[in-house]
Amino acid sequence: AQSVAQPEDQVNVAEGNPLTVKCTYSVSGNPYLFWYVQYPNRGLQFLLKYITGDNLVKGSYGFEAEFNKSQTSFHLKKPSALVSDSALYFCAVRDTLPLSGGYQKVTFGIGTKLQVIP
Amino acid sequence: DVKVTQSSRYLVKRTGEKVFLECVQDMDHENMFWYRQDPGLGLRLIYFSYDVKMKEKGDIPEGYSVSREKKERFSLILESASTNQTSMYLCASSLLAATGGVTEAFFGQGTRLTVV
Repeated sequence: AQSVAQPEDQVNVAEGNPLTVKCTYSVSGNPYLFWYVQYPNRGLQFLLKYITGDNLVKGSYGFEAEFNKSQTSFHLKKPSALVSDSALYFCAVRDTLPLSGGYQKVTFGIGTKLQVIP
Repeated sequence: DVKVTQSSRYLVKRTGEKVFLECVQDMDHENMFWYRQDPGLGLRLIYFSYDVKMKEKGDIPEGYSVSREKKERFSLILESASTNQTSMYLCASSLLAATGGVTEAFFGQGTRLTVV
């Protein structure tokens, strides 16, 4: 069974400081990993994904994530936080085993609330 | 830009009512999904569909059904609404991944359903 953990319910960071939102995962094969962001009263927006290759993945809005196979982690990072980055962030992992019709199930974490303080 | 549109942002329904949540996507995606989002539980998959008239149960299908008569439209049906179905419902769509391919999902804005 696959799973993903976001160990922090909330992360607070001062504007202009670097931010990290943590994610660890468990899959049986090779992981495919995603980060999504949700602004208040909105749906989720895709930020970035890791499939294979370079361990540092760059995404939207200046975010990046570092894949670490030995630590089974995929932490989201940004060098300088903005107040507008305040939102709920979801990590997700995709199973390597197809479920049906070519679709491979995605498991989402419970989300981490990022609060950027002015 | 991909657009996934859910018919309602907010709904209030009474216990026992039959409730329809509608979702339309405009990018010809094969896959469509219904999730519910609850605090502390993240997103849980209710049903998904990979083709017209095809559907598969997700993790929490009890009390729900779905309909996909056209490729662009995926409906979630609460047969007899109960208070424990009060939640945020999110529709999403994605391309059918080719062998070895990985595609991200595009989400609607969500429907906050309250059952009283």
